[in-house]
Amino acid sequence: DGGITQSPKYLFRKEGQNVTLSCEQNLNHDAMYWYRQDPGQGLRLIYYSQIVNDFQKGDIAEGYSVSREKKESFPLTVTSAQKNPTAFYLCASTGLAGSEQYFGPGTRLTVT
Amino acid sequence: LAKTTQPISMDSYEGQEVNITCSHNNIATNDYITWYQQFPSQGPRFIIQGYKTKVTNEVASLFIPADRKSSTLSLPRVSLSDTAVYYCLVGTGNRDDKIIFGKGTRLHILP
Repeated sequence: DGGITQSPKYLFRKEGQNVTLSCEQNLNHDAMYWYRQDPGQGLRLIYYSQIVNDFQKGDIAEGYSVSREKKESFPLTVTSAQKNPTAFYLCASTGLAGSEQYFGPGTRLTVT
Repeated sequence: LAKTTQPISMDSYEGQEVNITCSHNNIATNDYITWYQQFPSQGPRFIIQGYKTKVTNEVASLFIPADRKSSTLSLPRVSLSDTAVYYCLVGTGNRDDKIIFGKGTRLHILP
């Protein structure tokens, strides 16, 4: 069964703590993406990676960090520097250029 | 990157055909037009993609006029389960082309 998995589905953290969200894909896709979605809003791009060991900032990268050590994995760390981390986080991947994006089920992060 | 403009929301009734139009006046020669559907608390799902004229699949049709400055997603005979947010995206999908999601169109199907 090919697809993208994100874990956990719900995550709760105290303010000031770093937290890492997992994203794994077995689709053999080169490109992976992280988006943030706030209630009633569209998706905003945080980081993306077109190839292993390389990634670029999206529109709202401040307070986030990523790594791409393996083709299958693209974890996102929400640092304490992110002022409003509570949101729905979505991971996606694409294969060939111009092809559709496949999305994971998302992680809903709540920071109090 | 070409910016897209869609209606914020639309209402329709079960069994009707729904047409959602997206404007992309600055579309580039190499850009494709792609539509996604998103249900609450889920990731978006690909619906259809096209470059020009008309594309049809088992879910929807996509109409693109000759000037490509707009496109229309057509959903035939909608049901309650088609209530979702629909996003129109424009881009090449190439390595250096970020995929930008706007706020989408919130479609509400009424019984």
